[in-house]
Amino acid sequence: DSGVTQTPKHLITATGQRVTLRCSPRSGDLSVYWYQQSLDQGLQFLIQYYNGEERAKGNILERFSAQQFPDLHSELNLSSLELGDSALYFCASSVSSDSNPYEQYFGPGTRLTVT
Amino acid sequence: GIQVEQSPPDLILQEGANSTLRCNFSDSVNNLQWFHQNPWGQLINLFYIPSGTKQNGRLSATTVATERYSLLYISSSQTTDSGVYFCAGDNYGQNFVFGPGTRLSVLP
Repeated sequence: DSGVTQTPKHLITATGQRVTLRCSPRSGDLSVYWYQQSLDQGLQFLIQYYNGEERAKGNILERFSAQQFPDLHSELNLSSLELGDSALYFCASSVSSDSNPYEQYFGPGTRLTVT
Repeated sequence: GIQVEQSPPDLILQEGANSTLRCNFSDSVNNLQWFHQNPWGQLINLFYIPSGTKQNGRLSATTVATERYSLLYISSSQTTDSGVYFCAGDNYGQNFVFGPGTRLSVLP
């Protein structure tokens, strides 16, 4: 158990819908990262937050957004869902600081199926 | 951008055999990590190894940052070692990039 929790574990929804994925980082970790793992694209970095602020952005679609709350949990919002958004979404956390990033620990993932 | 390559893409072993997985990365990569994704999809941290050598039981890893590669050694493989092994790194906290993975199958 990495200490990172994600809910829900599975999510099935229809095209055009909006969903929210939730992540709670390890105790004491300030950074949260979101990743998407699909069959054709592999594991891709989406976005990182550090202590409530966006730190880095990767291959995140405009239909997707995220935020990190004062208690450091994070939510990833996916809207206008398409079949191609079906994937495993991971959250990771690390202690992180400006000059000394630490290793990332991954949650169990949320498997999203868009029908 | 950051580049991370892994070889071989697939590996089939008999239980008890040893193996070496390789990760090559571009010179902008640091904070290298190795992960094991088990058949249930869970990503498990194996090593955080930006440089040097570490060992954990039957697994060990070596990163030679100056030559931009890392090696993961698995000794006396077991069926539970099956899954996909990823290396990944970032550029000082920016844009963590995963390699394509090595799919390992350990046969009983």
